Amino acid sequence: KAGVTQTPRYLIKTRGQQVTLSCSPISGHRSVSWYQQTPGQGLQFLFEYFSETQRNKGNFPGRFSGRQFSNSRSEMNVSTLELGDSALYLCASSFSDRSSAEAFFGQGTRLTVV
Amino acid sequence: AQTVTQSQPEMSVQEAETVTLSCTYDTSESDYYLFWYKQPPSRQMILVIRQEAYKQQNATENRFSVNFQKAAKSFSLKISDSQLGDAAMYFCAYRSEGRARQLTFGSGTQLTVLP
Repeated sequence: KAGVTQTPRYLIKTRGQQVTLSCSPISGHRSVSWYQQTPGQGLQFLFEYFSETQRNKGNFPGRFSGRQFSNSRSEMNVSTLELGDSALYLCASSFSDRSSAEAFFGQGTRLTVV
Repeated sequence: AQTVTQSQPEMSVQEAETVTLSCTYDTSESDYYLFWYKQPPSRQMILVIRQEAYKQQNATENRFSVNFQKAAKSFSLKISDSQLGDAAMYFCAYRSEGRARQLTFGSGTQLTVLP
């Protein structure tokens, strides 16, 4: 069974541009969550989707948005990029939306904003 | 809001020895889950062990075990017979049983295993 796949693995963007990151969950998983990892702030929750609905959102500005498709694949978008958006973005999928469900992580997308 | 604290930014252990990583958390909830994740240089977070707060028995997975002290809000990870492959960043994480079900992570402990 394939794991969580995030594309692209690396990305370099210019300040002010926008970017879209993709996450394909494990087959059969309907819950997808996104996290931002930086040296200064650590791992912070961005949002969670389940069956195409955003269930929860972290404390990030409106420039950060996401969506989930009917096949459970998810995308997150960051508009008007700032230098501080440089980070590793991790996606995690779970079979269900229960708190007991194990979260499986992808290898992340390393975004660099210059 | 829940917080998770890992007070040891770096730890080292000799191969085959035992090491304990510390984690404390703050919550007003009674039902929750606690996790230890490992992040090797490949960056992929891997679940090491989990503990349900309602279970008094400490979780064990092969060489990994936890010491869960609910009243003290403490959740330490013990790695026995350390191996070179255990070298990684280790994160303690909390997940509520309630509406806010996202994982809240500690700042991590970088574990070095010395040959």
